[in-house]
Amino acid sequence: NAGVTQTPKFRILKIGQSMTLQCAQDMNHNYMYWYRQDPGMGLKLIYYSVGAGITDKGEVPNGYNVSRSTTEDFPLRLELAAPSQTSVYFCASSYSGGGPRREQYFGPGTRLTVT
Amino acid sequence: DAKTTQPPSMDCAEGRAANLPCNHSTISGNEYVYWYRQIHSQGPQYIIHGLKNNETNEMASLIITEDRKSSTLILPHATLRDTAVYYCIETTGNQFYFGTGTSLTVIP
Repeated sequence: NAGVTQTPKFRILKIGQSMTLQCAQDMNHNYMYWYRQDPGMGLKLIYYSVGAGITDKGEVPNGYNVSRSTTEDFPLRLELAAPSQTSVYFCASSYSGGGPRREQYFGPGTRLTVT
Repeated sequence: DAKTTQPPSMDCAEGRAANLPCNHSTISGNEYVYWYRQIHSQGPQYIIHGLKNNETNEMASLIITEDRKSSTLILPHATLRDTAVYYCIETTGNQFYFGTGTSLTVIP
């Protein structure tokens, strides 16, 4: 299994541009998550999904959009990029949102710079 | 805002036990405490989780106080490869709340 994969690894955007961060998992997990991590800080949840067609906001959703059309994929869309969105973005997946088997498996991250 | 409190940094001699404390005083009665670690800038790696009882797996042990307001992660024989940032995570529903973690340095 490849686990959780993310593309691209690095990206530089100009202010106002848009882009989509890709995330895929091959573990048949129903839950998927997007986090951002600013320098020296912990991860903050942007959006999550409990299954295809179902998404919900996390702590810091402003400036982002998500969709989940398949179990495997969970893309994150940035519209009108701003310098405050410079961060490392991590995608994760887990078996379910409840009960003990909630450990999340993380991808390698996408380092985004907005200038 | 983070719901857990951890010391920002700790050192541990190689081969000794590393004890990493965490306060999670706002945790509700049916939510688990999770511990993850992050090596360099890689994606976080799951270590262990618990609800009320102490837990042990091949990586670590987790001691949770009876009132569930704090816990301690124990790495029994720290190695240089255990140098990482360790996060104690409080969960609420489907959301994981990462704090700023403890940066553990294992010293040869």
